[in-house]
Order: sequence, then structure tokens, then C-alpha cells
Amino acid sequence: GEEVAQTPKHLVRGEGQKAKLYCAPIKGHSYVFWYQQVLKNEFKFLISFQNENVFDETGMPKERFSAKCLPNSPCSLEIQATKLEDSAVYFCASSPYLAGGIRGGYTFGSGTRLTVV
Amino acid sequence: QKEVEQDPGPLSVPEGAIVSLNCTYSNSAFQYFMWYRQYSRKGPELLMYTYSSGNKEDGRFTAQVDKSSKYISLFIRDSQPSDSATYLCAMTGSNYQLIWGAGTKLIIKP
Repeated sequence: GEEVAQTPKHLVRGEGQKAKLYCAPIKGHSYVFWYQQVLKNEFKFLISFQNENVFDETGMPKERFSAKCLPNSPCSLEIQATKLEDSAVYFCASSPYLAGGIRGGYTFGSGTRLTVV
Repeated sequence: QKEVEQDPGPLSVPEGAIVSLNCTYSNSAFQYFMWYRQYSRKGPELLMYTYSSGNKEDGRFTAQVDKSSKYISLFIRDSQPSDSATYLCAMTGSNYQLIWGAGTKLIIKP
């Protein structure tokens, strides 16, 4: 399909619990990006993949966050031992090329809203 | 200081007006410039994508990039109530991750 599918739409976790988010990129797109959007629209880059390989992980809080993109499976972002500050909307984006597709830019999913209580 | 500065607004204009949205940036290495529109509780939707100084037009939207001044703009002509949303500028940093502005909330009054 021509949309990036993110599941679940909403996720509520108690502090210290694990959270796992999924992203199915558009078929044929080699690049996947994860972003975190916190209050007041602030977007933060987390990690990018080229197929199943990590391309850039400079934004990942490595002690609790991990991500994978395995062949024939949705990509995943996992947060171990969630904290209140992890409450945000997590967006996944995909692209056929590193600098974007024919129109440029990246196609975003609808996001997963994570609430840590 | 943030790498990309964008006035969060809100910006309120009457229907039919021309809207001007702007971002400034500090890193001359930024290569690609984008404008996204985000409705409440939705994902960002790409509106415009440019990579060189100058103007690019698509329907009612015009994107303008001035690399010498590190300044980008988005103009919306004949604004409609359905254009009410948050508009985010974004540009590619090293390794092509997006560096985002704070977003401007736009309100078009009927």
C-alpha cells in the first residue's frame, strides 16, 4: 500500500513497563526513520534504517531504547522500563531514497501515542 | 539556540488572504528543505520539497528558499478554512535526518 502503517495508535504503560511500537513502511521503500514528537510540536530524530541495517542512531537514548527492521516484518521500536518523559507521539517515516522520493521528502505514518502513567 | 527557528504563532488570518510562513536556520550545510502540514492528532503531510535557492510553486502553495540568508518561506494563496493546521518546516542534516522547526499554528477564519 501507499501508506506507512503504525500500530498501535494508542499505548498506555505504567512507569517501568516495556513498550513496543510497530511500523510497516511503504513497500519498496528502503529507508525508515523514527521520530519522537513531544509537547509543542517538537520533533526529535531517533534512528534511521537502510533496509535491515541501522543507518544513523545518533538520536537514540541507547540505555532504554532499541529498534529493529527485519526482513518481511514490520519495523519495531522498543522502550524498556518506560519513564514519564517518554510520553510522546512516535512517528515512523519511510522513503525509497535517502533524500526522499520522486516528490522528495518522507512519507509519515499517523503515529503511536504513548502515555506513561 | 535552536538550529531551526520558527514562530509558533498562532497566526490567524481571514479566508482568502495570502499566508506567509517562515523559518530561519543556522547551519549552511542543510541541503533539502521541506514544508509539512500537520492536522491535530495526525502525521505530518508533505506539502513542498526544495533543494536550491529560488521559488517552487505547486497549486496554491509557493516555497521559497534563500540559502545566502538561511531563510525559507511558504506562501499560501487564497487561504481556506481547511488550511487551518500546524505548518512545520524541516531540513536535512547530516545523514539525512530531518531537523524541524517548532511549527506554526495557522487559523483561517471563515
